[in-house]
Amino acid sequence: EAGVAQSPRYKIIEKRQSVAFWCNPISGHATLYWYQQILGQGPKLLIQFQNNGVVDDSQLPKDRFSAERLKGVDSTLKIQPAKLEDSAVYLCASSLEIWVEQFFGPGTRLTVL
Amino acid sequence: GQQVMQIPQYQHVQEGEDFTTYCNSSTTLSNIQWYKQRPGGHPVFLIQLVKSGEVKKQKRLTFQFGEAKKNSSLHITATQTTDVGTYFCAGSNTGKLIFGQGTTLQVKP
Repeated sequence: EAGVAQSPRYKIIEKRQSVAFWCNPISGHATLYWYQQILGQGPKLLIQFQNNGVVDDSQLPKDRFSAERLKGVDSTLKIQPAKLEDSAVYLCASSLEIWVEQFFGPGTRLTVL
Repeated sequence: GQQVMQIPQYQHVQEGEDFTTYCNSSTTLSNIQWYKQRPGGHPVFLIQLVKSGEVKKQKRLTFQFGEAKKNSSLHITATQTTDVGTYFCAGSNTGKLIFGQGTTLQVKP
């Protein structure tokens, strides 16, 4: 069974530039999550989708971050404009439904200079 | 808001020694999950605990959920070098997982 796919794996940009990340979850998984993991910390949930609807985006900085999950399958997360403090690993995860184990992708390591 | 705290932040042990990490939530949890993240890797699910006082074992790993469903622990018996990594607990009472900051385990051969 294929795992969660993410691209790109690494991205370096300058502050105030824009960046987009892509995630393809495990086939059949209804729930998709985007996490931000800053070095030395645990993953912090940014947004959670159930199919193509948003379940929780309370910690998403909506002035600069946006995410969508068109057709309830793959998803994109965008940052516009980026700040230095956005440097982190962005993890996508999926699960069959809410309340069960989550499968994480390899992550995208973002460096903002 | 809900917070999940883990201690210790780091633990260095000699191979063969035991290891325990503790997780405490500011609120009662519906369930708690444990994940392991190897250096440079992504979190990998280990187990989920749902019931008050629940104890589950996976080979050398023992997981406990407190009676009040506000704390949990992971105990590794006779550590091996393959146990190296960061162990995260993640609690939920709304369907949204809140991760602790993790305990990083180093094992000296």
